[in-house]
Amino acid sequence: DTEVTQTPKHLVMGMTNKKSLKCEQHMGHRAMYWYKQKAKKPPELMFVYSYEKLSINESVPSRFSPECPNSSLLNLHLHALQPEDSALYLCASSQDQGDTYNSPLHFGNGTRLTVT
Amino acid sequence: AQSVAQPEDQVNVAEGNPLTVKCTYSVSGNPYLFWYVQYPNRGLQFLLKYITGDNLVKGSYGFEAEFNKSQTSFHLKKPSALVSDSALYFCAVRALNSNSGYALNFGKGTSLLVTP
Repeated sequence: DTEVTQTPKHLVMGMTNKKSLKCEQHMGHRAMYWYKQKAKKPPELMFVYSYEKLSINESVPSRFSPECPNSSLLNLHLHALQPEDSALYLCASSQDQGDTYNSPLHFGNGTRLTVT
Repeated sequence: AQSVAQPEDQVNVAEGNPLTVKCTYSVSGNPYLFWYVQYPNRGLQFLLKYITGDNLVKGSYGFEAEFNKSQTSFHLKKPSALVSDSALYFCAVRALNSNSGYALNFGKGTSLLVTP
């Protein structure tokens, strides 16, 4: 089983709803990531937090808002999403963002999001 | 830009036969290369990495990968395939993100089907 826990596993939301995805790790990792993955496609990087500070935002629309309350938790707040935002949202962590070559990414099992 | 290419969308192999999943890379400087596997409805799992040293890298579940600098390849191999190896395989390279810090660039993925 994965050491990165994501909740909920599935989420269906309307375009006017506000919801949040949650991610938790207790491995002491200091870098946390959000990826978006469409079916049979590679994950696309959205955000990276390093030591609880946002270090990478891959020009993600503002309807996606990340938050890192502490070193173990990562949230993704969703508001006014579009149907094309339906995807698997993966959280990952690593020991240190700058040391990804010695510390591989550990992925959660994802939240499958459907926007209606 | 640091990138990897997976030329095959799907690889089919009979159980017990050797398998190869291909990956080529394009990087400036020393490459840091990874293989991940994704089972249905799960996150990605780290298999192995090449940083430096021996060109043959051994990883999880009996997989290994051969780094070939002259051919700029990092093919994933296993001597004897199992039906349970059927999954989506991603090659990845560490890249310096234009915004800040390092992230992984994934190939498009190769679906491996092992038949009994």
